[in-house]
Amino acid sequence: GENVEQHPSTLSVQEGDSAVIKCTYSDSASNYFPWYKQELGKRPQLIIDIRSNVGEKKDQRIAVTLNKTAKHFSLHITETQPEDSAVYFCAASRGGGSQGNLIFGKGTKLSVKP
Amino acid sequence: NAGVTQTPKFQVLKTGQSMTLQCAQDMNHEYMSWYRQDPGMGLRLIHYSVGAGITDQGEVPNGYNVSRSTTEDFPLRLLSAAPSQTSVYFCASSYGWWSQPQHFGDGTRLSIL
Repeated sequence: GENVEQHPSTLSVQEGDSAVIKCTYSDSASNYFPWYKQELGKRPQLIIDIRSNVGEKKDQRIAVTLNKTAKHFSLHITETQPEDSAVYFCAASRGGGSQGNLIFGKGTKLSVKP
Repeated sequence: NAGVTQTPKFQVLKTGQSMTLQCAQDMNHEYMSWYRQDPGMGLRLIHYSVGAGITDQGEVPNGYNVSRSTTEDFPLRLLSAAPSQTSVYFCASSYGWWSQPQHFGDGTRLSIL
């Protein structure tokens, strides 16, 4: 079935460095790719999303890139800060008759060291 | 707006008991869904609804029932709790059912003994 692979599972960076998290998806009909941040014990919160008609999207220190041909999309965080420490999930929409549904990656635990 | 509200926040059940997890949203969202989150597994879809009176199964529906009698409410019922259903359950909603941002509730942490 369809799946989303997310790498790495853990990532540790120094404050001020950049962090990159990569995802691949299998459903060629996927057309919506959100990223969620989840702090310990909290709800997942949408931080950025991208649709298939766009190759890149930025919001301040966060950017997402999408390569539909290769079925890859990535999250880039620049100038990382300790408050960026959290688990990040990528997701891809299902195609066909279930287009509202998301398939999630297994998450990346990002630690930003002061 | 309260957003997506889930109750209870915590619950402990014995094997074989039944219970209902409540989810309500006040954003007039058409699409609602239930996920379970287990360590190292990400979020997996249990059931979803694209509008009042319409529900369908997700990836892991066994042992769970849902109904959608109103736009606002989407309860999740555990029919006969099993230890394998120990998890954190999140309800989410979105404006449309197609490629729209999903808004999550605070979750229900459920333990089955």
